Amino acid sequence: GAVVSQHPSWVICKSGTSVKIECRSLDFQATTMFWYRQFPKQSLMLMATSNEGSKATYEQGVEKDKFLINHASLTLSTLTVTSAHPEDSSFYICSAREPGQGGGRYNEQFFGPGTRLTVL
Amino acid sequence: GNSVTQMEGPVTLSEEAFLTINCTYTATGYPSLFWYVQYPGEGLQLLLKATKADDKGSNKGFEATYRKETTSFHLEKGSVQVSDSAVYFCALTSNTGGFKTIFGAGTRLFVKA
Repeated sequence: GAVVSQHPSWVICKSGTSVKIECRSLDFQATTMFWYRQFPKQSLMLMATSNEGSKATYEQGVEKDKFLINHASLTLSTLTVTSAHPEDSSFYICSAREPGQGGGRYNEQFFGPGTRLTVL
Repeated sequence: GNSVTQMEGPVTLSEEAFLTINCTYTATGYPSLFWYVQYPGEGLQLLLKATKADDKGSNKGFEATYRKETTSFHLEKGSVQVSDSAVYFCALTSNTGGFKTIFGAGTRLFVKA
């Protein structure tokens, strides 16, 4: 199956600093990537949809100036948490979708292993 | 909008017991259905999938059948092991709504030896 990586796998930072998380599709080109956030013992919450070469589409309630998303190439999307605070501490997961039409395989997304962010 | 509802946990079973985790969905278009598993401190792993009505997904002894008439995709395993202890997420992706994946709330499974 297709492989998606995330870097770093975990990060600890001080309050007020910015943190960048990378999401890469290793063996396929992803025109669309998704960013999720997961709080402890909860489900995944979609934050935004990242499309290569265009602005990200954010879900309702997600601050676009707080969570900057860049999808500069077909294999890389980045999420930058700006001026991080302790309430931003969470598990961030990305996924990538291969381009294609119709259903079946092209409805499947491939998930990265996640990045655990702790803001002190 | 699309949604996924799955049974609340935690579910606690003894080893070799039969497992069922219920999942129902509402969706427009032609959704694909998935079960993901998450072990403590790790990311999501795809467990199984079904892309059209009446398809049965299976993997590692787990199986689920896409039932369009009841809009369900229940997860079953005939004999659970301690190593199956994890959180299980039912999810759907539809060709409508930008191929976003919608997750259920997750069901935590504990298997006792």
